Amino acid sequence: DAGVTQSPTHLIKTRGQQVTLRCSPISGHKSVSWYQQVLGQGPQFIFQYYEKEERGRGNFPDRFSARQFPNYSSELNVNALLLGDSALYLCASSWGVPSGNTIYFGEGSWLTVV
Amino acid sequence: DQQVKQNSPSLSVQEGRISILNCDYTNSMFDYFLWYKKYPAEGPTFLISISSIKDKNEDGRFTVFLNKSAKHLSLHIVPSQPGDSAVYFCAASEYYSGNTPLVFGKGTRLSVIA
Repeated sequence: DAGVTQSPTHLIKTRGQQVTLRCSPISGHKSVSWYQQVLGQGPQFIFQYYEKEERGRGNFPDRFSARQFPNYSSELNVNALLLGDSALYLCASSWGVPSGNTIYFGEGSWLTVV
Repeated sequence: DQQVKQNSPSLSVQEGRISILNCDYTNSMFDYFLWYKKYPAEGPTFLISISSIKDKNEDGRFTVFLNKSAKHLSLHIVPSQPGDSAVYFCAASEYYSGNTPLVFGKGTRLSVIA
């Protein structure tokens, strides 16, 4: 069975641009969460979706947005990119209830903002 | 304010010996705790978890101990193997009370020396 898949794996953007990151959860999983991991830090919660509804949002500016589609895949959008947005963006999925229980991560999307 | 703290950024252990990774938390509402392992260029992988109704959980070479009064948990790896060399993240949530997202520590880099 495929795990959580994310695309793209690496990308470079310029300050002020916009980026869309994509995630497909493990088959059967209905909850998707997004985390940002800056070098030297642990993953930090951005968004949580369950059954296509936003169930939680971390302390991130409105430049960050996300959505979940009917097939439970998800997109994370970041507008007006700043240098500080350079990080590994991790998507995680879980089976039923929204994350807070065991979640399974993808390999992440490395975003570099120059 | 860091709610989950891993105060040792790194740890070196000889192969075959015990590795002990520590984690402290400040939020007394946390009731579910997890350890994740992360290799370079990969997403975090779930290792073991424990709920607040237990003080110990074992899975093969991995044991997690929880001391609620001290707000402290530890991960023991016995015996340590070179393949255990990775960054280990401690995570916590208010799963049973509020189903909040996971809060991660900064991680501890474990090096197992052959």
